[in-house]
Amino acid sequence: KNQVEQSPQSLIILEGKNCTLQCNYTVSPFSNLRWYKQDTGRGPVSLTIMTFSENTKSNGRYTATLDADTKQSSLHITASQLSDSASYICVVSPDESWGKLQFGAGTQVVVTP
Amino acid sequence: GAGVSQTPSNKVTEKGKYVELRCDPISGHTALYWYRQSLGQGPEFLIYFQGTGAADDSGLPNDRFFAVRPEGSVSTLKIQRTERGDSAVYLCASSPGTGGSAFFGQGTRLTVV
Repeated sequence: KNQVEQSPQSLIILEGKNCTLQCNYTVSPFSNLRWYKQDTGRGPVSLTIMTFSENTKSNGRYTATLDADTKQSSLHITASQLSDSASYICVVSPDESWGKLQFGAGTQVVVTP
Repeated sequence: GAGVSQTPSNKVTEKGKYVELRCDPISGHTALYWYRQSLGQGPEFLIYFQGTGAADDSGLPNDRFFAVRPEGSVSTLKIQRTERGDSAVYLCASSPGTGGSAFFGQGTRLTVV
């Protein structure tokens, strides 16, 4: 069973609107959680990284939240743009070793004019 | 170069053939990771190098897969007797050390026919 579950699987939103993506994880112990953006045909690009002591982190129009008690994270996209169309992947690490990262399957976001 | 470079970007091979995929990490990055991504899925860990040695190769699916990094820089992922199930995008990432920020290449799309 995947230890990182993302929802929704896909999402279509109008340009200019906001949206929120969810990530639930069961990975334990927990070191940090990252959100990546992956454009079609490209490698993932890091948006945010949060440790268990952080509950929010922003990167421009992207804001990530983390509740380490309930093992939930969200990524909020404000005033979406067409260039936000991509897959957003939630990644959880049980320790500082990158090799043990657990990846979610991603949420495919499509922003329409 | 400024980023992680992977070659080739696309590779089509016949079932049973041998393939090599190359990764040029960011200069000075000691850690290098290989991941495999199937369509609609998040990346799956294969192997992680710290310097020249494989620190964790627990993600390699079987003995047909092998990776080297002889000089602690460029890495080659080698797949023997390819099978159709090996078709995927193979992603490489590098970072200055364990944890922290890592940067992905754009991947090599391998198709086994």
